[in-house]
Order: sequence, then C-alpha cells, then structure tokens
Amino acid sequence: GAVVSQHPSRVICKSGTSVKIECRSLDFQATTMFWYRQFPKQSLMLMATSNEGSKATYEQGVEKDKFLINHASLTLSTLTVTSAHPEDSSFYICSAREAGVTQYFGPGTRLLVL
Amino acid sequence: GNSVTQMEGPVTLSEEAFLTINCTYTATGYPSLFWYVQYPGEGLQLLLKATKADDKGSNKGFEATYRKETTSFHLEKGSVQVSDSAVYFCALRSFQGGKLIFGQGTELSVKP
Repeated sequence: GAVVSQHPSRVICKSGTSVKIECRSLDFQATTMFWYRQFPKQSLMLMATSNEGSKATYEQGVEKDKFLINHASLTLSTLTVTSAHPEDSSFYICSAREAGVTQYFGPGTRLLVL
Repeated sequence: GNSVTQMEGPVTLSEEAFLTINCTYTATGYPSLFWYVQYPGEGLQLLLKATKADDKGSNKGFEATYRKETTSFHLEKGSVQVSDSAVYFCALRSFQGGKLIFGQGTELSVKP
C-alpha cells in the first residue's frame, strides 16, 4: 500500500516553544491531507483537513492560530504547534489521500510538552 | 449524522480462536467502509475496505462484508495469532463528504 511518513516520531519540548511536525506521502500525490489527534485509549479526533495550495479547514473547537497547517505541495504537509503547553501533549497522526477513496496514515508523532 | 459503533473492548482470546468484532454504522447514501489496525505506539494501517453493498474486503486472514440491510461491517478471522494483538478501528467515509468517521476502537489481546 501507499506510504506516509511523519517526522519526528517523538519530540519533547519546553512549554512556550513551537514544534513542527512533517507529513509526507512517499509514493503518491496527496490531494488532501488530514491531521488527527489521539488521546490514550481513545479514537482519533480529526483536527483539520488541508488541500494542496489552499487554507486548511479546521474542525470545530480546534484553534487554527495554535495549530498551524501548511500544505505547500502534493507530498508535504506540516503541522506547527505554536506556544505549546503540557495539555498539547498527545499523539498526532497525519493521513493522506490521493484522488480516490482510501486514506493512508502516517506512523504518528508523540509530543510531550514539559 | 453519520456515525460508527463498535463493540466495546478489550477482547481477550486464546491463540487460534475465532474472532468477531462487531461494527454497525449510520449513514445517508452509500458510504465506503474500512477497517484499520493500530499496533502499540504506531499509526493506523488499512486492513481492508469495501465500497459497495455485498462487497467483501479481505486481508491477512481477516474478512468483513458490507451488509446494507443490517448496516454492518463485522470483522472476522478464523484463527487469531498473538501478533494480531492491536486496536481495531471501523470507519466510514460518506459518498459526499471527505472525512473518515471512526468508531471508538476495539482492543484485541491474543494470549498464547
């Protein structure tokens, strides 16, 4: 199947700093990318949907100024957690979809804010 | 609105036992249905999918049949292995919309 990578896989940062997470589709062009957040023992919560070259669409309750999403090319999307705080600690998963039905997921990034 | 309901876990089985994880959905139109698997500390992997009624998705010994009459997409495997221990998510994507809607996940633990 198609491959989606994320970098970094784990990151620890101090409160107040910003963290950037990259998501790449390695063998296909992703017209749409998605960012999810997952709390322990829970399902995935969709944060935002982004289409290449346009602004991301954020789900209700997700602060767009805090979670900056850029989808600059058909193979790369980035999520920047700005001014991170301990409550932002979580498992962030990206997903990519080419023109079709199937979404492929990255391996996730575990963020710990101290 | 659209929704997915899975049987609650954790499900604990002995190796070589038969597995069923129930999944039912509510959706308008004709959604596509998916099962994803998440191993500890990892992202989600697509396990199988079905895009229309009566389709059967299968992969790695797992099967699920899209049943429109019962709005179900139950996951089955005839003989589970310890390596199947993971969390399984049922999901749908509506025909019109682009979002995947997930069930709450079912944790499977297979003991040797």
